[in-house]
Amino acid sequence: GAGVSQSPSNKVTEKGKDVELRCDPISGHTALYWYRQRLGQGLEFLIYFQGNSAPDKSGLPSDRFSAERTGESVSTLTIQRTQQEDSAVYLCASSFGLGGTGELFFGEGSRLTVL
Amino acid sequence: AQTVTQSQPEMSVQEAETVTLSCTYDTSESDYYLFWYKQPPSRQMILVIRQEAYKQQNATENRFSVNFQKAAKSFSLKISDSQLGDAAMYFCAYRSPFGGDKVIFGPGTSLSVIP
Repeated sequence: GAGVSQSPSNKVTEKGKDVELRCDPISGHTALYWYRQRLGQGLEFLIYFQGNSAPDKSGLPSDRFSAERTGESVSTLTIQRTQQEDSAVYLCASSFGLGGTGELFFGEGSRLTVL
Repeated sequence: AQTVTQSQPEMSVQEAETVTLSCTYDTSESDYYLFWYKQPPSRQMILVIRQEAYKQQNATENRFSVNFQKAAKSFSLKISDSQLGDAAMYFCAYRSPFGGDKVIFGPGTSLSVIP
């Protein structure tokens, strides 16, 4: 597709379960970002991938959170043993790396509700 | 580390009037990108306007313009002839130009447009 695609768009889970969120970036975009947005709040940086470089994981809030990216394609964000405070919209964005305009292109987000 | 501050959590404007949203940032870099993103209630984040720090001229996009004051590290957004569709959260963002750094977002300003 032409834009950033995220799935699922909505996920309801029980406390303690693991969830996996998927992001399919725009083709050719070497940079990929994950952000968390709690209700009515701003964007909280989670993790950043740039090409084949080691990812910047400095925003991951705990070791229950992890993310992977295969080359310059799909990324998955995994949350283990979910807690109610994990409830939020998880936004993925992609962009060109060096030489690009710097603009981030966002997906529509995955809304996670932990009961 | 870079930081982005938006001191106005909420703003309102009468339809057809002009409103200015404030943003300040902190960085030791001399070149960078600044952005304003809009997030309507549908939650898809879209780019409103971008500014490259090495450019003296303020960016404009139709009814949207910025006042970029590099020395003061200020980057305000002016919306002219406000329309009902402008109601949204507005986020100011900073990015290093080298494509190898995460994008830092401000906490956002919620803009209401009064008919």
